[in-house]
Formats: sequence, C-alpha cells, structure tokens
Amino acid sequence: GDSVTQMEGPVTLSEEAFLTINCTYTATGYPSLFWYVQYPGEGLQLLLKATKADDKGSNKGFEATYRKETTSFHLEKGSVQVSDSAVYFCALGGSGSARQLTFGSGTQLTVLP
Amino acid sequence: GAGVSQSPRYKVAKRGQDVALRCDPISGHVSLFWYQQALGQGPEFLTYFQNEAQLDKSGLPSDRFFAERPEGSVSTLKIQRTQQEDSAVYLCASSFRDAGTNTEAFFGQGTRLTVV
Repeated sequence: GDSVTQMEGPVTLSEEAFLTINCTYTATGYPSLFWYVQYPGEGLQLLLKATKADDKGSNKGFEATYRKETTSFHLEKGSVQVSDSAVYFCALGGSGSARQLTFGSGTQLTVLP
Repeated sequence: GAGVSQSPRYKVAKRGQDVALRCDPISGHVSLFWYQQALGQGPEFLTYFQNEAQLDKSGLPSDRFFAERPEGSVSTLKIQRTQQEDSAVYLCASSFRDAGTNTEAFFGQGTRLTVV
C-alpha cells in the first residue's frame, strides 16, 4: 500500500540556518504530494503541494520538488525563523482510487533565536 | 464558522464508556474525513464521506467505531466501549469538492481522547 517515510526528528536549528526535511514515498498510480504544518495549539495547515513529477511547490519561503525518479519530496528553506517552529508532515494523496491522505510520522522543528 | 470546528476539544472517558465526537465542516464542503493521530505519529485515515454517503470506512479499526453524516454537513464519530488503545487525537477534515488530486483538505484542531 501507499506509505510515506519522513526524516526522524526532532530537528533543532539556529535562526537563519538552512532547513531540509527528507520525505520519500511509495505509491500506486500518480499521487499528489503535500507538506502540512502544525503550529502549537493549532490544526494541520497545508503548507505547499505538487501534483505531478518535477513540479515545485512553494510557500512562505519553503520549497519542495516532486522527484518521481527518487520518489522524494524533500522540504527546504534557506533561512528559518523562530516562527517556523512546528511539526511538519509529508503526505500523499490521490493515489489510485483512494481519496484520503497518507501521512508520514511528522518532524518536530525547533528554531532557536 | 470560518474553519472546521470539532467538539469537545478534550474528552476523558473511563474504559468501557461510549463517546461521541462532533465535526462541523466548512459550510458547503462536500467531502469529510476522519483521521486518528496517536502521540508522536502522523494522522491515519479512518473514514470518508461524500455528502451524506460514507464511501470508505476501510480505516475504522474495529466495529466499535462508527461514523455518520446524516444530512451531509455535521458528522459524528462514535466509539463504543472505549479501550485504552483508543486514546489519540481524532481529526476531522473537509474539502470543497469530491476529494481528488488538487483538492485541499482543511483540518480542525482535533479532539484529544484519553481513556483511563
């Protein structure tokens, strides 16, 4: 079945450091790929998405590129801020006939001033 | 309201007790999902509705779990005879159209269920 494997956390960085959170997937068909973010005390929010191979999703300085050849969708940001501290989830959806999202286990990011 | 609303936010149940968790999706959203999120894990799919029709319940862990959406808006997830392993955050999500590749799902804040 479909699955998502995420880089294990927690990740602690200093402000303005470069961020990479690795995500790889296994899926049937041609899924869309997503990054969701969960800030403390809030619900999951869509951060960015990509719907086909070589698409790049971007939002709030974060980027991720849909790499079909490596089945990956790594999240990157060039300069993190304290306000980026949150839990990040990689997910896939729309694979085959399934309508639901399949999530990775999440990566806790803490950015120190 | 502006977003997906879930109630209660927190629920403590004694083992064996029945619980009901409510989800108010964004008005007009066709699709509604329930997920279960164990501590330190990602959400796992439970069930999916398109309007009032429950099209997929393959993720429900046992027959103690039951979900309904009788009028195609508010949904209730019911857990009978709760057990300790049911302790988790239960998330509801809705999306505007029939869920597909490009449809964004909007999540509620969840209900944290603790079974003691």
